[in-house]
Amino acid sequence: AQTVTQSQPEMSVQEAETVTLSCTYDTSESNYYLFWYKQPPSRQMILVIRQEAYKQQNATENRFSVNFQKAAKSFSLKISDSQLGDTAMYFCACRGNKIIFGKGTRLHILP
Amino acid sequence: GAVVSQHPSRVICKSGTSVKIECRSLDFQATTMFWYRQFPKQSLMLMATSNEGSKATYEQGVEKDKFLINHASLTLSTLTVTSAHPEDSSFYICSANPGGRNTEQYFGPGTRLTVT
Repeated sequence: AQTVTQSQPEMSVQEAETVTLSCTYDTSESNYYLFWYKQPPSRQMILVIRQEAYKQQNATENRFSVNFQKAAKSFSLKISDSQLGDTAMYFCACRGNKIIFGKGTRLHILP
Repeated sequence: GAVVSQHPSRVICKSGTSVKIECRSLDFQATTMFWYRQFPKQSLMLMATSNEGSKATYEQGVEKDKFLINHASLTLSTLTVTSAHPEDSSFYICSANPGGRNTEQYFGPGTRLTVT
C-alpha cells in the first residue's frame, strides 16, 4: 500500500520569502515517481515538479525545487521568491501502479 | 502540452436520476484514465482506474454498480453516477496519461455534481 503524508495543513508567508512544504511517503514499489501538484481556486490540477525515485539529483523548476531524501522517504518542496500567484493548495503525490495524494497544504502568500 | 477536457463542468440533478460525466484527451491517446473524487477542502481520492477496452479497476469502498465507468476509446472515458443521492454531490476529476508508468498525468478541469 502507498501512503502520502503532509503534516502542514496550512501555511502563510510574506511575498518574496522562501517557504518549504513537507511531505513523507511510504511505498512498497521499487520503481515510483513523486510529484507536487498545485490546485488554485479554479481547482485545475497543475504539475509543479516531478522526481523519479531512481534519480539522486533533486529536481528543480525555476523557483521550485525539491529535497528528496529516499532513505527517509521524504520529499519536500521549496518555493523561492514566493509570489502572490503561488497562493493555492499544494498536494504531494506518489505514483507506483497508481497515484496517491497527500491531504494537501494550503499556502497563502501575503502581500 | 497535453489537454484533458471534462464535460459538463457543472451539473445539477435530482435524487434518483443518473448523470454521465465525460473525460476526453484532446491531443493524445490514453490507454489509462483515472477518476477521482474531491470533497471540499480535501484531497483527491482515487475512485477507479479506467482501462481502454477492458473493465475498470475500482478502489476499495467504491461501488462499481453505482459509479459506472466506460472507456470506449483511446480518447474518451465516461463516469456515470447511477441513482444519484445528495451524498454523491462532489467534485469529480479525471486524469489521463499518454502511456507508460513514467509519464505525467494530465488532469481535466473537474465536474461539480450537485444532487438535490
